[in-house]
Amino acid sequence: DIQMTQSPSSLSASVGDKVTITCRASQSINSYLNWYQQKPGKAPKLLIYAASSLQSGVPSRFSGSGSGTDFTLTISSLQPDDFATYYCQQSYNMPRTFGQGTKVEIK
Amino acid sequence: QMQLQESGPGLVKPSGTLSLTCGVSGGSISSSNWWSWVRQPPGKGLEWIGEIYHSGTTHYNPSLKSRVTISVDKSNNYFSLKVSSVTAADTAVYYCARGEIFGVLKGWGQGTLVTVSS
Repeated sequence: DIQMTQSPSSLSASVGDKVTITCRASQSINSYLNWYQQKPGKAPKLLIYAASSLQSGVPSRFSGSGSGTDFTLTISSLQPDDFATYYCQQSYNMPRTFGQGTKVEIK
Repeated sequence: QMQLQESGPGLVKPSGTLSLTCGVSGGSISSSNWWSWVRQPPGKGLEWIGEIYHSGTTHYNPSLKSRVTISVDKSNNYFSLKVSSVTAADTAVYYCARGEIFGVLKGWGQGTLVTVSS
């Protein structure tokens, strides 16, 4: 199985801050990397697919980059609605695997 | 906009079989999607269980493969999950999801908590 490792596991930030979350795959996954946002008690929501494509309806302050084994999710200016847990997921091969999650908390 | 809704018992006895269904509305289960199951133990991360295409082709997580069956009912527009020989470790919120090309999970059900306990 491909292991997905996110860092950090949690972070504290203020509204307006730029936030960067990284995801590393245990082997190359080309650009088959997706990012999801999950709020407490809710289902995950797709933010970014294919490493850098913004899902329809997702604010443009979210962006993704990377290929191969190293990927980044960036929130350019953190908003109150963005405090949540973020997961990366590889869809290069089976089984699909997720990172352990990064919890973004209010500073 | 397709909507997904999980249903099934919230409590299953150890060694029993967990059975859930996911109803699809606003679209056809015979569309070009992979219908997936993902679970999340309380306070933990996401685990992909498996997926099915309307043709019946399935992919399973090897960690669960011997205990998991995913099936599709095209007539009634739903798909199902069965997990046999459950233990407390199978206690989780179970989500059904709609997967598009390259395994992107674009739509999710609200999730249903299944507790394994006697």
